[in-house]
Amino acid sequence: DGGITQSPKYLFRKEGQNVTLSCEQNLNHDAMYWYRQDPGQGLRLIYYSQIVNDFQKGDIAEGYSVSREKKESFPLTVTSAQKNPTAFYLCASSIPGEEQFFGPGTRLTVL
Amino acid sequence: SQQGEEDPQALSIQEGENATMNCSYKTSINNLQWYRQNSGRGLVHLILIRSNEREKHSGRLRVTLDTSKKSSSLLITASRAADTASYFCATDGGQGAQKLVFGQGTRLTINP
Repeated sequence: DGGITQSPKYLFRKEGQNVTLSCEQNLNHDAMYWYRQDPGQGLRLIYYSQIVNDFQKGDIAEGYSVSREKKESFPLTVTSAQKNPTAFYLCASSIPGEEQFFGPGTRLTVL
Repeated sequence: SQQGEEDPQALSIQEGENATMNCSYKTSINNLQWYRQNSGRGLVHLILIRSNEREKHSGRLRVTLDTSKKSSSLLITASRAADTASYFCATDGGQGAQKLVFGQGTRLTINP
């Protein structure tokens, strides 16, 4: 089945820890995206990548980092510099200029 | 920054009625997209309408776009309980849809 997967579904982080969220797609899409969603709010763009080995900051990149070493994978690291990381994180992929396909999300909670 | 603004923020109707949601945006666009999100899940794409299109249909969904007013509407006809979800519009800000900007969404509740 073609699609986009995220893991884990739930993640708990202690203060001062870095954590990495996984995003994998087998849709052969060039573009991939990471969004953050807070309760009752819309999506805000963290980082996006239009091609392997290249990525750009979105609107709220501070405290996050990404890599794009493979077309299929776009992991997001939430660093200890992100002071309020508790949120729902969504990954998406697309053919440039077309609809985005979303993963099921990872819910991150800081303990 | 939020480019799209949905209205209303919440809408509650009876099953079988039509539901209309509106979206306004600020800058020029190449296309506007509507997405649906069930609680705690990822988003599902509904319709993409390009700036040179005025109306688009998909099943019980009808989307209109008025670029002169920088607004769009999503109409769901003959609503069902399963349509209960949040609906978001997203615009590309005229940047070739490389970077979508989402509104805060309309929470739709269909009462049986």
